[in-house]
Amino acid sequence: GDSVTQMEGPVTLSEEAFLTINCTYTATGYPSLFWYVQYPGEGLQLLLKATKADDKGSNKGFEATYRKETTSFHLEKGSVQVSDSAVYFCALIISNFGNEKLTFGTGTRLTIIP
Amino acid sequence: GAGVSQSPRYKVAKRGQDVALRCDPISGHVSLFWYQQALGQGPEFLTYFQNEAQLDKSGLPSDRFFAERPEGSVSTLKIQRTQQEDSAVYLCASSLESVLAKNIQYFGAGTRLSVL
Repeated sequence: GDSVTQMEGPVTLSEEAFLTINCTYTATGYPSLFWYVQYPGEGLQLLLKATKADDKGSNKGFEATYRKETTSFHLEKGSVQVSDSAVYFCALIISNFGNEKLTFGTGTRLTIIP
Repeated sequence: GAGVSQSPRYKVAKRGQDVALRCDPISGHVSLFWYQQALGQGPEFLTYFQNEAQLDKSGLPSDRFFAERPEGSVSTLKIQRTQQEDSAVYLCASSLESVLAKNIQYFGAGTRLSVL
């Protein structure tokens, strides 16, 4: 079945460090790929997405490129801030006659130290 | 409201009790999803509605779980005879069916269920 494998955490970085969170997927079709973020005490929020190979999603300084050849969608940010501390989830959708249920990875907890 | 609203935010139940969790989706959103998130894990799909029709309930873990959306808006997830393994955060998400907005699900803050 479809699945997402995410870099295990927790990850702790200093402010202004470079961030990479790895994500790879297994899917029977052509998925759309997503990164969701969960800030403390809040619901999941869409961070960025890409719907086809070689697309790059970007938002709030974060980027991820849909790599079909390596089945990956790694999240990157050049200079992290304390406010980026959260749990990050990689996810995919295989569109199935309108049922676009998300399949999530296990999440990566990120802590940024001032 | 402006976002997806879930109630209650927290629910403590004794083992064997029935519980009902409510979800108010964003107005006009056709699709509604329920997910279960165990501690330290990613959310897992439970069930999907398109308007009032429950099109997929393959993720419901047992026949103790039941969901409905009778008027195509508010949805209720009911768990009968709760067990300790039902303890989790239950997330609701809704999405607008349109080409431009396709695939974006908006999540509520969730209901944290603790079964003692």
